[in-house]
Amino acid sequence: EPEVTQTPSHQVTQMGQEVILRCVPISNHLYFYWYRQILGQKVEFLVSFYNNEISEKSEIFDDQFSVERPDGSNFTLKIRSTKLEDSAMYFCASSFTGGWANYGYTFGSGTRLTVV
Amino acid sequence: GQQVMQIPQYQHVQEGEDFTTYCNSSTTLSNIQWYKQRPGGHPVFLIQLVKSGEVKKQKRLTFQFGEAKKNSSLHITATQTTDVGTYFCAGNNAGNMLTFGGGTRLMVKP
Repeated sequence: EPEVTQTPSHQVTQMGQEVILRCVPISNHLYFYWYRQILGQKVEFLVSFYNNEISEKSEIFDDQFSVERPDGSNFTLKIRSTKLEDSAMYFCASSFTGGWANYGYTFGSGTRLTVV
Repeated sequence: GQQVMQIPQYQHVQEGEDFTTYCNSSTTLSNIQWYKQRPGGHPVFLIQLVKSGEVKKQKRLTFQFGEAKKNSSLHITATQTTDVGTYFCAGNNAGNMLTFGGGTRLMVKP
């Protein structure tokens, strides 16, 4: 069964440093997402990406965050100048369709980001 | 903004007992999806409901979407230890964003 692959599985970074989280979505999927989950809490939407541009973003996704699809397979989330409160599990997800016709996301296994 | 609430937050059941989690949205939804997250794992898609009043079954799991498309429920009959995990509903209102509920963590005693 096709998978969404995320690397690294765990990243520890110093406060103020930049991190890049990487994802390889399912190859024929067209919509890509980043979500985060602070330990024990709900899954929170960050951003959706379609046709090489951001289609929606949440209030969490401020100027500190950016996304990119640098080639035909990778989808990255960059967090500039990390803060302690950025510590969370970051999930990448993809879907073939979007909006009301979304037939469910496939999530990756996540990157646990720890900011110290 | 849209809010999705789930109750209960936690549920302990004896193996063989039934379990239900309830989901309520502050706005009318285009569709609602349900996900299961095992401890230490990632959300795994279970099902999507689109039509008002829709009921879908997957073996021992029954999913319902309310007539007003603002609430939903997941019922598990005769729970097993393999059902352990957190069950999330997630609402979509026509955009690409899914808003997740807080989840119900199910614990099953053998």
